[in-house]
Amino acid sequence: EIVLTQSPGTLSLSPGERATLSCRASQSVSSTFLAWYQQKPGQAPRLLIYGASSRATGIPDRFSGSGSGTDFTLTISRLEPEDFAVYYCQHYGSSLFTFGPGTKVDIK
Amino acid sequence: QLQLQESGSGLVKPSQTLSLTCAVSGDSISSGSYSWSWIRQPPGKGLEWIGYIYPSGSTYYNPSLKSRVTISVDTSKTQFSLRLSSVTAADTAVYYCARYASGKYYFDYWGRGTLVTVSS
Repeated sequence: EIVLTQSPGTLSLSPGERATLSCRASQSVSSTFLAWYQQKPGQAPRLLIYGASSRATGIPDRFSGSGSGTDFTLTISRLEPEDFAVYYCQHYGSSLFTFGPGTKVDIK
Repeated sequence: QLQLQESGSGLVKPSQTLSLTCAVSGDSISSGSYSWSWIRQPPGKGLEWIGYIYPSGSTYYNPSLKSRVTISVDTSKTQFSLRLSSVTAADTAVYYCARYASGKYYFDYWGRGTLVTVSS
């Protein structure tokens, strides 16, 4: 079973700054099966990135994903006020889904 | 526009069975291109995948919950359901239903979620 670890647990930044979030898998995975979600308080998660680097419909281009093997990254190039939220990575493998524990991006 | 709406009991007693339904509108639940999933989130914690079902009835469950979970689909009513037996306080969570597109490996549509509290 793949275990996902996300770091840091909390990222304190100011609007306009760059955010770099990490998702590490316990073993090498195909980038095809790696996705990222954003969740704001009281809301359902929203798909941001799939296939490790493809933006979902309607997602601004300040969001980008990269990585391969065991290390994946979600980058927000310039934080907007609406980007302060919790971000989760997710993996699919052997017909099962796994989520990482999340990274909270809050306002410094 | 696809919409998913969870419904069911918001309060369940310990040792009893939690039952939720997800109503799907705006698309056919019978399409073989999609499967239908349940995901939960304890208060203040992260997301936990529970399981999913194909319109054919084939199911896949989280191994940690498999012995207590049943997901079923009613294509005539365009809804699918979750039953979780022998609940404890640890099962208190917001329960989401979501769509998973076959060959896509992610959840593209989510319901708004419903809070289920396990308490006597």
